Formats: sequence, C-alpha cells, structure tokens
Amino acid sequence: NFMLTQPHSVSESPGKTVTISCTRSSGSIASKFVQWYRQRPGSAPTTVIYEDTQRPSGVYDRFTGSIDSSSNSASLTISGLKTEDEADYYCQSYDSSTVVFGGGTKLTVL
Amino acid sequence: QVQLQESGPGLVKPSQTLSLTCTVAGGSISNAGYYWSWIRQHPGKGLEWIGYISYSGSAYYNPSLKSRVTISVDTSKNQFSLKVNSVTAADTAVYYCASTAPPFYYYYMDVWGNGTTVTVSS
Repeated sequence: NFMLTQPHSVSESPGKTVTISCTRSSGSIASKFVQWYRQRPGSAPTTVIYEDTQRPSGVYDRFTGSIDSSSNSASLTISGLKTEDEADYYCQSYDSSTVVFGGGTKLTVL
Repeated sequence: QVQLQESGPGLVKPSQTLSLTCTVAGGSISNAGYYWSWIRQHPGKGLEWIGYISYSGSAYYNPSLKSRVTISVDTSKNQFSLKVNSVTAADTAVYYCASTAPPFYYYYMDVWGNGTTVTVSS
C-alpha cells in the first residue's frame, strides 16, 4: 500500500500564511481524493477540506486545499493565521477500499 | 446529520477481545449510501484507520489488522460495532467511530464520535 508523508511540525505567526504538505509515496496523488482533518487537543478530528479542494460548511475560506501532480503531493494552506488554528492536521486518502492517514503535522501559531 | 457515540469497556486484558459499539442518533443505520468507520489513535500518535462497513454490509479492513478485526451492524439497535481479537498493549488507544453520508463515499468521514479510550492491561 502507499504512505502519506507530512512534516512533523510547522510554525508561523498570527496573520501570516502557512502551507502543510502531504506527499503520496506511490500512485498518483491526483487519482484519489485527499481530505484534511484538524484535531485540537482532547477533541475528535473535524474536516477542513474534502475531495482535494472542497470546504465543508462552517469552515472559513482561509483554508485552501490543492493538488500538485508534479510533486505528487497535496497541500493545505491556511491564510490569516489565528491562534485558534493551532492544532494537529492530518491528510488522508485511499485506494482499493483502503484508507490511509498521513502522520500528522503540529501547527504552532506563535 | 447523524450523531455518533462510542461505548464499551475502558479496560481489556491482554489476549482477550476488545468490543466497542457506536450508537447512531438522528438517522437510520440502514439508510442507503452510508458508510460506517472505525479509526484509532495511539497515545500521543497519529490516526490509524481500522476499517469500515458499507450500507450493503460489505466490510473492508486495514491490512495490518485484518486478521484480528470485525466490523458489523446491528440494525435493531441502530448501532455498529468493532471487535479486535487477541489484544495486546499495542491496541491501547482512543477509538473513534465515524460516518459518511451520501453522496460521498467511504473515504470522507464527515461525522465523528467523541472517541473512547481503551487500555489493554492485566
């Protein structure tokens, strides 16, 4: 099966923009949808991006998902960072009825 | 939108079977097009997909857990369940149930339960 690799951690200042990458080890990143989940400490994950670029209702347009076939990776970009964005972020995709999560990225807003 | 709540023993002895239930509120577990999933998170670690069962009753599992895991549906109780056989300390984790509603497919888990902590220890 394939793996999704994320940076362990990223940090940025309030008001700035940060991008979290998610690289697929095998198979085309563009062939299967990518989802992004946010998990705050002590809470269940919630979706911030589904099907590569779609935002669920209630998620601000500061959150943007994209796909880059050249690097076989997906990205989550968060603009206008707020302290409330500090959380763990997980990418997730699938193949042949199997779901795979990335290892997660801890976003620190300082 | 449905709501999900996990329940089950918080402590399981090594070599025994871990059994968890997810109760579905606000909708019928028999509704066409739904997918019902289990995910776990080891202490301080990332998310690990366990498996899912479709509205038609077909179940798919993480290859690394497949030999020990069973997911099933109880329509009379509007619940779905997870069983993990022959548990060890490595099965200690927070277990989440999740659902996918149509028109989406199993890969987009749009509703999650709050999670339940299971510790494997004698």
